[in-house]
Amino acid sequence: GAGVSQSPRYKVAKRGQDVALRCDPISGHVSLFWYQQALGQGPEFLTYFQNEAQLDKSGLPSDRFFAERPEGSVSTLKIQRTQQEDSAVYLCASSLDPLRDQQFFGPGTRLTVL
Amino acid sequence: DQQVKQNSPSLSVQEGRISILNCDYTNSMFDYFLWYKKYPAEGPTFLISISSIKDKNEDGRFTVFLNKSAKHLSLHIVPSQPGDSAVYFCAATRGAGNNRKLIWGLGTSLAVNP
Repeated sequence: GAGVSQSPRYKVAKRGQDVALRCDPISGHVSLFWYQQALGQGPEFLTYFQNEAQLDKSGLPSDRFFAERPEGSVSTLKIQRTQQEDSAVYLCASSLDPLRDQQFFGPGTRLTVL
Repeated sequence: DQQVKQNSPSLSVQEGRISILNCDYTNSMFDYFLWYKKYPAEGPTFLISISSIKDKNEDGRFTVFLNKSAKHLSLHIVPSQPGDSAVYFCAATRGAGNNRKLIWGLGTSLAVNP
């Protein structure tokens, strides 16, 4: 596809359930970012990959959050034992050059934890 | 502690007039600034950016001004069109190297009235 895609677009989980959110970046893009956007807030950085290497995970809010990009393309953000405060839109972005700042965003996955 | 601040949650302007969206930042280490536009249920899309070595960047109807001494930037849209109605996010980044994570403001919702 031409852009960044994310699936599912919407996810409803019961508290305590594990979820996995997928991101397909633009083909050939080296850098991949995950952001969390709570209602009424701007996106907050979670983690960053350059190819398959996770270079920064300082934004992950707890050890329940885990991200991977094993082959340097598709990435998965996993949240274990979801809590209500995890409810947010999770945005994935990719960019061609790690030194450039124009990141291309997917539509996001809206996670609702009941 | 919000490093990037957009103090106006919303703005309403008449079609054909100028829209001015403002952004302030606190971290003097920021060296690159971006504006993103976001429609409901879509990811943010890049609009325009400016490096800290410049004070103005123009792209069609969109111009970004940077005042480093005041730690302030603004986005001007002239003339405003109804299709410009969206949430506009200001973002900033800093440093060299591979991790250019974006620090975002809370957004300003712009309504352009026909």
